[in-house]
Amino acid sequence: QKEVEQDPGPLSVPEGAIVSLNCTYSNSAFQYFMWYRQYSRKGPELLMYTYSSGNKEDGRFTAQVDKSSKYISLFIRDSQPSDSATYLCAMSPGGTSYGKLTFGQGTILTVHP
Amino acid sequence: DGGITQSPKYLFRKEGQNVTLSCEQNLNHDAMYWYRQDPGQGLRLIYYSQIVNDFQKGDIAEGYSVSREKKESFPLTVTSAQKNPTAFYLCASSPNLGTGSYEQYFGPGTRLTVT
Repeated sequence: QKEVEQDPGPLSVPEGAIVSLNCTYSNSAFQYFMWYRQYSRKGPELLMYTYSSGNKEDGRFTAQVDKSSKYISLFIRDSQPSDSATYLCAMSPGGTSYGKLTFGQGTILTVHP
Repeated sequence: DGGITQSPKYLFRKEGQNVTLSCEQNLNHDAMYWYRQDPGQGLRLIYYSQIVNDFQKGDIAEGYSVSREKKESFPLTVTSAQKNPTAFYLCASSPNLGTGSYEQYFGPGTRLTVT
């Protein structure tokens, strides 16, 4: 079993829809959680960075962390065709992990006009 | 402009040849990382370095080598011992761990094709 599981999709939604992307994990030591967006043939771009449980909002994006369920989510409101990309979750226990991140496989999202 | 640069964007090599991928950052970050990305497999860590002149193996280090002679630079050599070198290679950096920041920032990547 992988430490981080992410549904690879692909996920296809109409423009304006609310998108929910999710990851589950097995390592209870994870405390720092990130979401990256990766366009085709480009490097990942950091979207959201959260610590421990709770919600964080940034424009149309909301990140949620539920450590008791070992489950994190990224919500995209009013989705746009420009949101079409692969979304990667990543997490770290912090401390002496020396900054190593564990990534999910990525979910391919297509927002069609 | 601060950021991470990788060169070249595309690289083609014949089997049996060593090849070096460049990674430079001007973010004043202490830590640097190399990942490999294959379709459907997410990112896999090859090597990482916390400080100059020190680096550690990641999950798939076999067939790769690195050096960290300068804080800004972390080149990756793909040797002929790497059995499946064709992939998309990503370099990343992160702030000094003493800041409590664990997020990583990525370069644009180098697509290596070996035939």
